[in-house]
Amino acid sequence: KAGVTQTPRYLIKTRGQQVTLSCSPISGHRSVSWYQQTPGQGLQFLFEYFSETQRNKGNFPGRFSGRQFSNSRSEMNVSTLELGDSALYLCASSNGLAAAFRFYNEQFFGPGTRLTVL
Amino acid sequence: AQKITQTQPGMFVQEKEAVTLDCTYDTSDPSYGLFWYKQPSSGEMIFLIYQGSYDQQNATEGRYSLNFQKARKSANLVISASQLGDSAMYFCAMREGLQGGSQGNLIFGKGTKLSVKP
Repeated sequence: KAGVTQTPRYLIKTRGQQVTLSCSPISGHRSVSWYQQTPGQGLQFLFEYFSETQRNKGNFPGRFSGRQFSNSRSEMNVSTLELGDSALYLCASSNGLAAAFRFYNEQFFGPGTRLTVL
Repeated sequence: AQKITQTQPGMFVQEKEAVTLDCTYDTSDPSYGLFWYKQPSSGEMIFLIYQGSYDQQNATEGRYSLNFQKARKSANLVISASQLGDSAMYFCAMREGLQGGSQGNLIFGKGTKLSVKP
């Protein structure tokens, strides 16, 4: 079974530009979550999509957005890039079981996209 | 307040010895799950072990075991017979149930960098 794939793996942008990152979950998984990892803030939850709907959202500005397609692939977009957006962006997929049992829902992570903003 | 605390930024262990990585958590939700992930320098988060708040026994997965002390809110990871390939960052994470306020997202600690010496 193929794992979670993320493209591109590395990206360099300049301030003010926008960027789109892509994540393909494990086949059969319907939930995709995105995380930002920086040396200063650590790993922070961005948002989760389940069956094309945003189910949860972290505490990030509106410049960060995402979507999920019918095949469960997900994209996240960051507009008007800032230097502080430089980070490793990780995507994780899971089968997204019913909310009552989600706390033991195992998430499988992709290799990440390393974004550098100059 | 930090929900997940890992007090050891870095640790060294001799190859073939056991090592314990500390993790304490804070939640008022009676239902939660605790996870440990390994992140090698490549960036991918690798799931190691899971412990549910209602599990009566400590979780074990091969060389990994979780020392779960619920009253102390501690979930330490024990790696037995360390190998050179165990050198990586280790993250403790928690997912609360619906009463926890984090909407079921994974909350990560700052991580512990483990270095295994030959």
